[in-house]
Amino acid sequence: QAQLVESGGGLVKPGGSLRLSCAVSGFTFSDYHMYWIRQAPGKGLGWVSYIGSSGSPIYYADSVKGRFTISRDDAKKSLYLQMNSLRAEDTAVYYCAKGAPSGSLDYWGQGTLVTVSS
Amino acid sequence: QSVLTQPPSVSGAPGQRVTISCTGSSSNIGAGYDVHWYQHLPGTAPKLLIYGNNNRPSGVPDRFSGSKSGTSASLAITGLQAEDEADYYCQSYDSSLSGWGVFGGGTNLIVL
Repeated sequence: QAQLVESGGGLVKPGGSLRLSCAVSGFTFSDYHMYWIRQAPGKGLGWVSYIGSSGSPIYYADSVKGRFTISRDDAKKSLYLQMNSLRAEDTAVYYCAKGAPSGSLDYWGQGTLVTVSS
Repeated sequence: QSVLTQPPSVSGAPGQRVTISCTGSSSNIGAGYDVHWYQHLPGTAPKLLIYGNNNRPSGVPDRFSGSKSGTSASLAITGLQAEDEADYYCQSYDSSLSGWGVFGGGTNLIVL
């Protein structure tokens, strides 16, 4: 059974940085593309970033392009999201999710809360 | 404003059948992209409910079913149970977004 565990969330001031991590187990991490998805308070799910199984392609939502960087370490079975120049509107629960061949996201983590506030 | 449109909320009594619609356009659902559905209870990991329009992952009860027609898709839940009260999201892809995915805005299911 696949398991994904996010960490690294917390309270940060506007303009600050955070690095989220997602440790996975239960599947061959290097074979799958991965996603970061977020849910702002009172809002629905929203795409943040995508990384292919070999590290490319990489996509970002327009709202985070140029500020966030997705990466993966297949040896450590970990997915990362470096978040710089954080804004209040980046406040959300951030989920990592595993991509399935069907185009769905078949396993998700429990999420980590990022709060951007002064 | 989401590319895929879902009703904000639906409700039903225990034992009843409810459906949740997901309306897209010719650049996403109508272009032939598959639709997937997720169940999300607050504070928990979202769960894949339906993939590829009408397929249930192992462990998902057959009370849940999906369908797709034209530019829309639907999730049906029969024999409604209190534990089904959650948010439900549809997901697909959009050719106008360079293959980037799209979510519906989500539907809150209330079990009366």
